[in-house]
Amino acid sequence: ELKVEQNPLFLSMQEGKNYTIYCNYSTTSDRLYWYRQDPGKSLESLFVLLSNGAVKQEGRLMASLDTKARLSTLHITAAVHDLSATYFCAVPNYGGATNKLIFGTGTLLAVQP
Amino acid sequence: KAGVTQTPRYLIKTRGQQVTLSCSPISGHRSVSWYQQTPGQGLQFLFEYFSETQRNKGNFPGRFSGRQFSNSRSEMNVSTLELGDSALYLCASSLAGPYSGNTIYFGEGSWLTVV
Repeated sequence: ELKVEQNPLFLSMQEGKNYTIYCNYSTTSDRLYWYRQDPGKSLESLFVLLSNGAVKQEGRLMASLDTKARLSTLHITAAVHDLSATYFCAVPNYGGATNKLIFGTGTLLAVQP
Repeated sequence: KAGVTQTPRYLIKTRGQQVTLSCSPISGHRSVSWYQQTPGQGLQFLFEYFSETQRNKGNFPGRFSGRQFSNSRSEMNVSTLELGDSALYLCASSLAGPYSGNTIYFGEGSWLTVV
């Protein structure tokens, strides 16, 4: 059974600092999704990574995928308060008709002024 | 374009009752998935429908059921509600499903409280 782990679970950082959220998964997959969730809100799609070595950037966020290491990273550059949210990675369950996302536990990011 | 629409947004039910939640996917999307989100268990997969066929079901009891109509709209039903069913139920819409690599869009969710 595919397992997805994120760390850290909670991240408190100061504005202007850089940090990285890690997402490890247990079985082969060549695609991975990143989402953002604000309190009481739904999931907002951030990135869809579709191959080994894929890198995508949007504003202060950059995501990458290493399928050999079964690892994705979400790098935050020069954090601002607006980035405070919970970030989830999700991996599609591998194989054939199996079509479900397995989510990580989430990383609660709090950016302090 | 219109996003994923879920109704109702908030509801309170009593133990033993049943509830039906509705999801209208983005126009042209044929895959609809449902997820349950709770503080203790996180985001868990319920089921996925594609062109009116259930392709996958998560590890939930038979009280949880769903269906998809020919216009891709989907409903999920929970019978004999238990306190532990209190959760945010999220509907996800995509062209062809999670493994296709298409972006998966989520609705605002239905907040269910069972008392």
